[in-house]
Amino acid sequence: DSGVTQTPKHLITATGQRVTLRCSPRSGDLSVYWYQQSLDQGLQFLIQYYNGEERAKGNILERFSAQQFPDLHSELNLSSLELGDSALYFCASSDDRGAAEAFFGQGTRLTVV
Amino acid sequence: GQNIDQPTEMTATEGAIVQINCTYQTSGFNGLFWYQQHAGEAPTFLSYNVLDGLEEKGRFSSFLSRSKGYSYLLLKELQMKDSASYLCAVRDQMTGGSYIPTFGRGTSLIVHP
Repeated sequence: DSGVTQTPKHLITATGQRVTLRCSPRSGDLSVYWYQQSLDQGLQFLIQYYNGEERAKGNILERFSAQQFPDLHSELNLSSLELGDSALYFCASSDDRGAAEAFFGQGTRLTVV
Repeated sequence: GQNIDQPTEMTATEGAIVQINCTYQTSGFNGLFWYQQHAGEAPTFLSYNVLDGLEEKGRFSSFLSRSKGYSYLLLKELQMKDSASYLCAVRDQMTGGSYIPTFGRGTSLIVHP
């Protein structure tokens, strides 16, 4: 158990809908990363938050947004969903104080039908 | 940004040794990670190298040469449970000073009896 919790584990929704994915980082970790993993793709970095503020942005679509709350949990919002958004979405956390590794949650498998 | 290359697939025999290579190009290198990922599960941290040389951890070792932009993961005494995808990730400094792990597509290792 990495200590990172993601909910829900599975989500099935229709095209055009909006969903929210949730992540609770490991206790004490201030940094949260969101990644998307499609079938034939590696882990694609979407966005990072640190202590409530957006810190870095990767290949995140404008239809997607995220935030980190004062209790450090984070949400990834995906709107106007398309079939191609079907993927595994992972959240990872790290303490970002020179510690090496990021710890990953179990992921949310999103299926858009 | 960076470019990370690793073989798509490798096969090996139980009990043998396998070396998975990773080459990268980056502008702000700040460490290289190896993660293991079983299908549909979260990546789990294996090793971290920031200085040149070999890091050994039980059956797994990882090597880094920063001047060559090269790393390898060495797995000894292979077990069936080692069948998984092995992800090479480079932590790179992005605009704004944040360090983000960027992942290669992974090497799918198949261990057979």
